[in-house]
Amino acid sequence: AQSVTQLDSQVPVFEEAPVELRCNYSSSVSVYLFWYVQYPNQGLQLLLKYLSGSTLVESINGFEAEFNKSQTSFHLRKPSVHISDTAEYFCAVIKAAGNKLTFGGGTRVLVKP
Amino acid sequence: EAGVTQFPSHSVIEKGQTVTLRCDPISGHDNLYWYRRVMGKEIKFLLHFVKESKQDESGMPNNRFLAERTGGTYSTLKVQPAELEDSGVYFCASSHRTSGSPGVDEQFFGPGTRLTVL
Repeated sequence: AQSVTQLDSQVPVFEEAPVELRCNYSSSVSVYLFWYVQYPNQGLQLLLKYLSGSTLVESINGFEAEFNKSQTSFHLRKPSVHISDTAEYFCAVIKAAGNKLTFGGGTRVLVKP
Repeated sequence: EAGVTQFPSHSVIEKGQTVTLRCDPISGHDNLYWYRRVMGKEIKFLLHFVKESKQDESGMPNNRFLAERTGGTYSTLKVQPAELEDSGVYFCASSHRTSGSPGVDEQFFGPGTRLTVL
């Protein structure tokens, strides 16, 4: 079985400051890793994913995440946040041949002006 | 292209009543998933349809929950009778299987149905 731990339930951050959301996972088999974002009153949207290849993956809106196999981590970072980044962020894993996502508990990011 | 839609967006019912949630996946997506987030907890997998067949229902909490996907299009999730602990947000997702590794196929999520059982 897989498990995902998001170490911070809430992260307040000032606009234009950097942010890091931590995600650690546990799995006995190889997995793919994802970050989803849920903006207020909306559904979950895929932010970025790691399937294979380069361990650093980027999103179109400035987020990046690095897969670290030895530390079983997939932390999400953004060097400068905007008010519009206020949302809840979910880390998730799935087995390569699997069908179900296993989610972490979510991290609420509140960007303050 | 329309995304995954769910109805209703909110539902408030009394304990012991029945509620039916509906999910319309993206057109052409054979895979349909139900997930649930109970207050303060993780989003958890409930079940997975491939077309009209239940591929995996290992996450269904008990026999008060019944999911159907007649004709392989929309799906319903019925809770009968509802209990207090059923309160939460129910998400539906769909994906179009495009590769040999199903884990690669992006799951597109709906906005969820917030269920409150009083």
